[in-house]
Amino acid sequence: QVQLQQSGAELAKPGSSVKISCKASGYTFTSYYISWIKQTTGQGLEYIGYINTGSGGTNYNEKFKGKATLTVDKSSSTAFMQLSSLTPDDSAVYYCAPGGGFAYWGQGTLVTVSS
Amino acid sequence: DIQMTQSPSSLPASLGDRVTITCRASQDIGNYLRWFQQKPGKSPRLMIYGATNLAAGVPSRFSGSRSGSDYSLTISSLESEDMADYYCLQSKESPFTFGAGTKLELK
Repeated sequence: QVQLQQSGAELAKPGSSVKISCKASGYTFTSYYISWIKQTTGQGLEYIGYINTGSGGTNYNEKFKGKATLTVDKSSSTAFMQLSSLTPDDSAVYYCAPGGGFAYWGQGTLVTVSS
Repeated sequence: DIQMTQSPSSLPASLGDRVTITCRASQDIGNYLRWFQQKPGKSPRLMIYGATNLAAGVPSRFSGSRSGSDYSLTISSLESEDMADYYCLQSKESPFTFGAGTKLELK
């Protein structure tokens, strides 16, 4: 069955970067792009963007341009999201989800930005 | 960006009640509307897609409807396992946008 396994929680300092992963299984990885979603208590759910897992092409929400960088490693069926120049506002749970159907989600990765 | 205005933000209800949550789209999104249920510490679960279609495994007491730019999620007879947060999502136009959420809780 379709599974998305995300990397573990991250504690990062302001100004640093983190890279979180999303390993897919149970389907042909390059058949569906991977979306990334941010969830905070204050802002709710926000769509960050998606990556075409076949071509590597990306589409970002303007709000997250310069903040998030999406990449893939087809050999390991893994998508990555790097968050840079972290601030406390980047503290959130981040999810990955394949395709545009949102029927499957990773378990989420908690990123905490604190000095 | 398309704004999704979701109401109410909180909905106290009793078991067996019929409850309805609504999202209004700021622009035409056709039927590109999904509903999700989220319980504490869990990932969102797809409940409705295409505005009116029940996702796999979702109980038939859940239904989705559309009236113009208003989209609704209805639970016909509330059960205890339905207590959760609910969100709508428009996927008509990038960036996809979510409603702010509705917390469904026991009265």
